[in-house]
Amino acid sequence: DAGVIQSPRHEVTEMGQEVTLRCKPISGHDYLFWYRQTMMRGLELLIYFNNNVPIDDSGMPEDRFSAKMPNASFSTLKIQPSEPRDSAVYFCASNRGNTEAFFGQGTRLTVV
Amino acid sequence: DAKTTQPNSMESNEEEPVHLPCNHSTISGTDYIHWYRQLPSQGPEYVIHGLTSNVNNRMASLAIAEDRKSSTLILHRATLRDAAVYYCILSPGNMLTFGGGTRLMVKP
Repeated sequence: DAGVIQSPRHEVTEMGQEVTLRCKPISGHDYLFWYRQTMMRGLELLIYFNNNVPIDDSGMPEDRFSAKMPNASFSTLKIQPSEPRDSAVYFCASNRGNTEAFFGQGTRLTVV
Repeated sequence: DAKTTQPNSMESNEEEPVHLPCNHSTISGTDYIHWYRQLPSQGPEYVIHGLTSNVNNRMASLAIAEDRKSSTLILHRATLRDAAVYYCILSPGNMLTFGGGTRLMVKP
């Protein structure tokens, strides 16, 4: 398996634009997590899914952020409209049951 | 959520053992102790986890205190590639909440 795949690896966008981050979890994994990492706040859990259903989105910072998982092999994290303070590295992770989580390489988002 | 306390940074010499401590005095009976590490410019990666007994795998060993209020991650022979931020996390299930971690520096 190629592991958790995130795209794009880097994204630079202007303030106010819509940004969509994508994640392909490892096949057979039933949990998917979205994290955000900044120097100031460290690694924050934004939302996680079980069997494509959002279970806990209490970490989503505000209504500008939304996440979907239309099927077991794909998830998106959307920011609309984006702001400079959204600049961060966004990680996607997946696992099966209560086993080790595998993280993607991350998407480095810069909002100018 | 039960919290963990780790030193901000530690230094080690290459090829020597490293003991990374973690305090978790408010751990609950259902909390597993997880360790992940994050190498520079990469996503976190799993190291080891345990509940009550000490655990060993190819990467490291996990020593858990009898009262479970603390644990120690042991790298038996540090290499330059082990330089990373090490996170100790308590969780009864899948949700992993990362703290600040310990930045391990390995000197040649």
